[in-house]
Amino acid sequence: AQTVTQSQPEMSVQEAETVTLSCTYDTSENNYYLFWYKQPPSRQMILVIRQEAYKQQNATENRFSVNFQKAAKSFSLKISDSQLGDTAMYFCAFLIQGAQKLVFGQGTRLTINP
Amino acid sequence: GAVVSQHPSRVICKSGTSVKIECRSLDFQATTMFWYRQFPKKSLMLMATSNEGSKATYEQGVEKDKFLINHASLTLSTLTVTSAHPEDSSFYICSARDGDRPLWDQYFGPGTRLLVL
Repeated sequence: AQTVTQSQPEMSVQEAETVTLSCTYDTSENNYYLFWYKQPPSRQMILVIRQEAYKQQNATENRFSVNFQKAAKSFSLKISDSQLGDTAMYFCAFLIQGAQKLVFGQGTRLTINP
Repeated sequence: GAVVSQHPSRVICKSGTSVKIECRSLDFQATTMFWYRQFPKKSLMLMATSNEGSKATYEQGVEKDKFLINHASLTLSTLTVTSAHPEDSSFYICSARDGDRPLWDQYFGPGTRLLVL
């Protein structure tokens, strides 16, 4: 079975700082996807970034980037120039290629302070 | 972008009654819908997966007779919590997959907060 672990329950940084959220996962599969989802206070789940396991290049979406280390089964999210609107719960998620069931980590509550 | 709605956004019901939550895909055909439960400050727990026209597949530990899921059309899935009890109080989230899009592409609804008194 696949598991996703986020070891940081809460994090807090000042606006404009850079913050990195950690995620590790366990799987015996070779082809899969990894995601970071954001859940703001509105509770609406928003996809932040996606990484295909077969790609060595780390995914980037504007201020959001990942550090994907396949051998170490690590998938961290870096938020640069953090903004107040980045305050949210962030969930790391895993999906086996060809499957539909997302497996979520426990979440990290990120607070951006003015 | 694809939009998924849920109705109601919040509901309060008395213990022993049943409550129905709707999940609709507004601008695409959802061949598969997923129902999650989220406890306060916790992660999303998948309850069941439903494919249009088929019986839902429930995750281990989820009571099929208590959480009835129907996916009768390509745009609507319903979750009925039968004989609700206070411990069923939670945040319920649906997501939907567009059959014309990759398997990894899921769209989440805004969630429904259920409070059972």
